[in-house]
Amino acid sequence: TQLLKQSPQFLSIQEGENLTVYCNSSSVFSSLQWYRQEPGEGPVLLVTVVTGGEVKKLKRLTFQFGDARKDSSLHITAAQTGDTGLYLCAGDNQGGKLIFGQGTELSVKP
Amino acid sequence: KAGVTQTPRYLIKTRGQQVTLSCSPISGHRSVSWYQQTPGQGLQFLFEYFSETQRNKGNFPGRFSGRQFSNSRSEMNVSTLELGDSALYLCASSLVQGSNNEQFFGPGTRLTVL
Repeated sequence: TQLLKQSPQFLSIQEGENLTVYCNSSSVFSSLQWYRQEPGEGPVLLVTVVTGGEVKKLKRLTFQFGDARKDSSLHITAAQTGDTGLYLCAGDNQGGKLIFGQGTELSVKP
Repeated sequence: KAGVTQTPRYLIKTRGQQVTLSCSPISGHRSVSWYQQTPGQGLQFLFEYFSETQRNKGNFPGRFSGRQFSNSRSEMNVSTLELGDSALYLCASSLVQGSNNEQFFGPGTRLTVL
């Protein structure tokens, strides 16, 4: 069974701090996606990384795909209260199913 | 383009009843997937439909079923509801070709089983 482990599960920080969320697996994925979900809504796609070692930036968010395509990280610089939400990573195993991590619940306090 | 829509948004049922949830994908998206989200288990894949055919299935009992219509709209049905079926049910559509299986989610249907 393919699993994606996210860490930490919960993160509470002050506005302006930096943070990193990790997504790890023993399996290789053809691509990996990051989503953010706010209460009462469905997840919204933030980014897709495809190539091993790839780094993508979305404003203050930096996403990296591991060289072996088994892990990924999301780094947020100078977090804002609007970054609060559930961050989910999801791996595509090319079997048609997305494998989701358990999620990281981020709370950014003013 | 309109996003993925799901109806109803909220539903309360009692044990033993059955329920049907509906999903309209983004125009042009032919793949529709269903997920169950609970605090304990996270997001779990139920099944995926493409061109009216179930293409992939997760590890859920046969009480969970679905179908897709020729216009790509999809429904999922849960029969003989159990308390543990209380969850947020999410539908997602995908362009499929060249899309890296990127999912566009609807807002979900919150099902409560009493």
